[in-house]
Amino acid sequence: GAGVSQSPSNKVTEKGKDVELRCDPISGHTALYWYRQSLGQGLEFLIYFQGNSAPDKSGLPSDRFSAERTGGSVSTLTIQRTQQEDSAVYLCASSSTRLAGGLYGYTFGSGTRLTVV
Amino acid sequence: AQTVTQSQPEMSVQEAETVTLSCTYDTSESDYYLFWYKQPPSRQMILVIRQEAYKQQNATENRFSVNFQKAAKSFSLKISDSQLGDAAMYFCASLGEYSGTYKYIFGTGTRLKVLA
Repeated sequence: GAGVSQSPSNKVTEKGKDVELRCDPISGHTALYWYRQSLGQGLEFLIYFQGNSAPDKSGLPSDRFSAERTGGSVSTLTIQRTQQEDSAVYLCASSSTRLAGGLYGYTFGSGTRLTVV
Repeated sequence: AQTVTQSQPEMSVQEAETVTLSCTYDTSESDYYLFWYKQPPSRQMILVIRQEAYKQQNATENRFSVNFQKAAKSFSLKISDSQLGDAAMYFCASLGEYSGTYKYIFGTGTRLKVLA
């Protein structure tokens, strides 16, 4: 597609439920990031996918968080047993290559606003 | 630890005037890139301007320019002839190899209000 697409745009879930957030990067982009933006905070790194390499999961805050990227394209971020502190905007970004990310920046999606009640 | 600091939570500027947003960063890396992103209410982060750390010349993009002071680790954004459409959250970010991960480190943002 022309841009990075994220779905759903907004998600309200009950505490303890599992949620899946989806990111469709720009076609052909090998680098993909997930970030979390809490109210009044900057963006917090969660996970980084680069091509067929093992993902860098060092930013995931707990084992309730996981992510996968199928076929080097679509990525899904899963949060199990959601807690109220998980409420945030989850942003996905992609770049054609790691080098291109530095040269041109990353293209971000519009995010998913997750509200845990 | 690598950090990016934006000390101005909110700024206001009169339409057509000039405003400068401050950003300082702390990194031990020699190879990194610096960015300013704009986030309107749509939530999508939009690239405003970027700077390679190894280049001394300040980047300029139309009404947007930066003052990059590498020794002071300062990277401020100047917006000239401010327009109503410039109103948004502005985030300063550093992209590089941090703690073994190639990633962005973002500041906490500055909300810019443009007054008609």
